[in-house]
Amino acid sequence: NAGVTQTPKFQVLKTGQSMTLQCAQDMNHEYMSWYRQDPGMGLRLIHYSVGAGITDQGEVPNGYNVSRSTTEDFPLRLLSAAPSQTSVYFCASRLGNYGYTFGSGTRLTVV
Amino acid sequence: DQQVKQNSPSLSVQEGRISILNCDYTNSMFDYFLWYKKYPAEGPTFLISISSIKDKNEDGRFTVFLNKSAKHLSLHIVPSQPGDSAVYFCAASEGAGNMLTFGGGTRLMVKP
Repeated sequence: NAGVTQTPKFQVLKTGQSMTLQCAQDMNHEYMSWYRQDPGMGLRLIHYSVGAGITDQGEVPNGYNVSRSTTEDFPLRLLSAAPSQTSVYFCASRLGNYGYTFGSGTRLTVV
Repeated sequence: DQQVKQNSPSLSVQEGRISILNCDYTNSMFDYFLWYKKYPAEGPTFLISISSIKDKNEDGRFTVFLNKSAKHLSLHIVPSQPGDSAVYFCAASEGAGNMLTFGGGTRLMVKP
């Protein structure tokens, strides 16, 4: 059972480039979400989805796009990367009211 | 303005002693609280939770206390072990299963 898988683990982008961070879960969880972790700020919610075809914005959605075409996958797109998006990104999923399962993260640097 | 705050960025404790990690919140609508533990290069893992109908929840060496009037919760680890060295995040939500708001984290170092 792989849990929540994030790829890539590391990425360096130039300002203005676009890319997609991948997230997949094999637990048939309804709820998936993306967080970013910055020093002293904890984890802040970017976007979330309560099921296939349904997405919504979190606390810090600007500059990011998501879609949920299947239960398993929840990719996060950076439309035009900026240095302020340098962060560690975590994908998480949960079933019902149980605790979240997090992926191991993607460390993104925008230069 | 952060709704969930962990005012101590780091804490150092001797092995075998008690570790107390603190968390304050401002949103009175929060009624479900969780603690997550995070090792370097890994995602956070769920540790323990508490609902606002309780003031204490225990799981082995870990106990979470909730003081609703003070909008304060704490995590006690007794006895502390070197393997407990990690970053601990508290999180809160309005109802179990809803969107989580995280604190900034406290780095715990347990010295042998």
